[in-house]
Amino acid sequence: DTGVSQDPRHKITKRGQNVTFRCDPISEHNRLYWYRQTLGQGPEFLTYFQNEAQLEKSRLLSDRFSAERPKGSFSTLEIQRTEQGDSAMYLCASSLEASGSNQPQHFGDGTRLSIL
Amino acid sequence: AQSVTQPDIHITVSEGASLELRCNYSYGATPYLFWYVQSPGQGLQLLLKYFSGDTLVQGIKGFEAEFKRSQSSFNLRKPSVHWSDAAEYFCAVGAQGNTGKLIFGQGTTLQVKP
Repeated sequence: DTGVSQDPRHKITKRGQNVTFRCDPISEHNRLYWYRQTLGQGPEFLTYFQNEAQLEKSRLLSDRFSAERPKGSFSTLEIQRTEQGDSAMYLCASSLEASGSNQPQHFGDGTRLSIL
Repeated sequence: AQSVTQPDIHITVSEGASLELRCNYSYGATPYLFWYVQSPGQGLQLLLKYFSGDTLVQGIKGFEAEFKRSQSSFNLRKPSVHWSDAAEYFCAVGAQGNTGKLIFGQGTTLQVKP
């Protein structure tokens, strides 16, 4: 079990640029979640996948945000035309969905995005 | 709407003292409840979870939590705090339905005095 891996750990970019983050979940996990965490707050749900299907998106996920999980393994989160308010820690988590129960999510170390 | 409240934003305890972090939730049915810990610049590590059954659950690093339905609470406790426990602690509830998504409180920062 190598854990959930996120890349990059830090990203600094200018306002208006596009950024893409990657998440590699625990290999046997079929669910993958993205959360956003701003300073002094708890993580907020953005979206989740079961295998390759994106099943829910939060209202926080504006049309500038897009997430994919093309083969049901790794996932990418892209932010287009970044804004100051996008500065945050983006956390990825994965879990093994079984029989409708809420299995614990395992989190990566996150990607910290700073918009100049 | 579902929500989680952690009333204490910041707590300071002396090393060796006991600890209790409060968590209250709002949920219409039997909740799935979690406590996570986050060190600076790191992701979240699961301390313990409550799904059903015994209302006192044991977790890693000597932590335990008690589910009290009548008080809508899931407080985290540790009998003797170590300096390495200094971190941010998050309580979370699993959202209704089978999405598995979590709703987090805003967190409690624990500082440990030598």
